[in-house]
Amino acid sequence: GAVVSQHPSRVICKSGTSVKIECRSLDFQATTMFWYRQFPKQSLMLMATSNEGSKATYEQGVEKDKFLINHASLTLSTLTVTSAHPEDSSFYICSARGSSLDTQYFGPGTRLTVL
Amino acid sequence: QQQVKQSPQSLIVQKGGISIINCAYENTAFDYFPWYQQFPGKGPALLIAIRPDVSEKKEGRFTISFNKSAKQFSLHIMDSQPGDSATYFCAANKNSGGSNYKLTFGKGTLLTVNP
Repeated sequence: GAVVSQHPSRVICKSGTSVKIECRSLDFQATTMFWYRQFPKQSLMLMATSNEGSKATYEQGVEKDKFLINHASLTLSTLTVTSAHPEDSSFYICSARGSSLDTQYFGPGTRLTVL
Repeated sequence: QQQVKQSPQSLIVQKGGISIINCAYENTAFDYFPWYQQFPGKGPALLIAIRPDVSEKKEGRFTISFNKSAKQFSLHIMDSQPGDSATYFCAANKNSGGSNYKLTFGKGTLLTVNP
């Protein structure tokens, strides 16, 4: 149980375009979803936390207008990287937590490359 | 301020040996301590977790030892196998009091098990 999927697994885009990443909880209702960014050989950096139906709470230093997060249902959250630039290239990982679960379960990640 | 300190940064073990990774935390409000295993290009996967009312938890070859008074916990991998080669993250969160269940991660340990 507690499976989280992400789509796409890899995306390459041109500078200036927007990219949407989907995160789904497949076998539980995710009351809280989290978005992380991970640089090579580093730990996970929390970008934002979202509760279903509420606005996301962004961590300090994360631009909310650049990284748009929507958590419209108990099984789906999306991260949209707007006007992407090469410095936004990274590994983006979502996680989800249900009310009956003790901790977060992670998706497989999305590798974003901005040319 | 790093609230969870993890060591060592990297670890090389021979096949069949014991791998030991240590973590120390500062926030006594933490009440749940998971360990995640991450393979290259993949999202972290929950490996094993412990609550502070238990001093040890074992699941197969993986054991968590927890020392509440010292605010330390460790992961022991018995009979280490080459397939265990991955990055391991300790983490801590607060599952009560409206914490929003954020995870605080250690910086990770890259484990290499030589055949």
